[in-house]
Amino acid sequence: KAGVTQTPRYLIKTRGQQVTLSCSPISGHRSVSWYQQTPGQGLQFLFEYFSETQRNKGNFPGRFSGRQFSNSRSEMNVSTLELGDSALYLCASSLGGNTQYFGPGTRLTVL
Amino acid sequence: QQQVKQSPQSLIVQKGGISIINCAYENTAFDYFPWYQQFPGKGPALLIAIRPDVSEKKEGRFTISFNKSAKQFSLHIMDSQPGDSATYFCAATLNPSGTASKLTFGTGTRLQVTL
Repeated sequence: KAGVTQTPRYLIKTRGQQVTLSCSPISGHRSVSWYQQTPGQGLQFLFEYFSETQRNKGNFPGRFSGRQFSNSRSEMNVSTLELGDSALYLCASSLGGNTQYFGPGTRLTVL
Repeated sequence: QQQVKQSPQSLIVQKGGISIINCAYENTAFDYFPWYQQFPGKGPALLIAIRPDVSEKKEGRFTISFNKSAKQFSLHIMDSQPGDSATYFCAATLNPSGTASKLTFGTGTRLQVTL
């Protein structure tokens, strides 16, 4: 099976812009979670979607949002970008249990 | 609040040696403890995981030791190889409804295995 894919792999944006990242989970996986990885804060949970419903949310401002489509693909959106949003954004998919498989991430740089 | 504390921050081990990374957790409701390995430019890859009803789990050169009373768990890498050089993250999660839940990660340990 193909692994988790994320697009794009790299993005450069300027402050104030918005960005949309995409994640395609492993075939058959219905749960998609998003994490932010930074050198200072480490790996932090953003949110999790299952069958198009957000089931869990981390402690991030409302500028961070996401959605999941009927084919389990997921997108996350960050509006009004700030310099501190520069990070590696990771998507993980799961059948619905504890085991989560991560994609390669999208490296977002905010200038 | 840091719910999973990981140490050391970095570790240098000679080839063939044993690498040991420790983690401690606070939330006694956690019921699943995975370890992830991450190479530069890649996403974390699941290495091995344990549940609290087991005190040890071994997969190849990788072993998790779990101490429920002390709320601690550790990763041992036997016969460490240069290819093991990566950042290792411990994590914990609780899954009461049988559905995927958020992983709480430790801060990571950068392992370097020297020749």
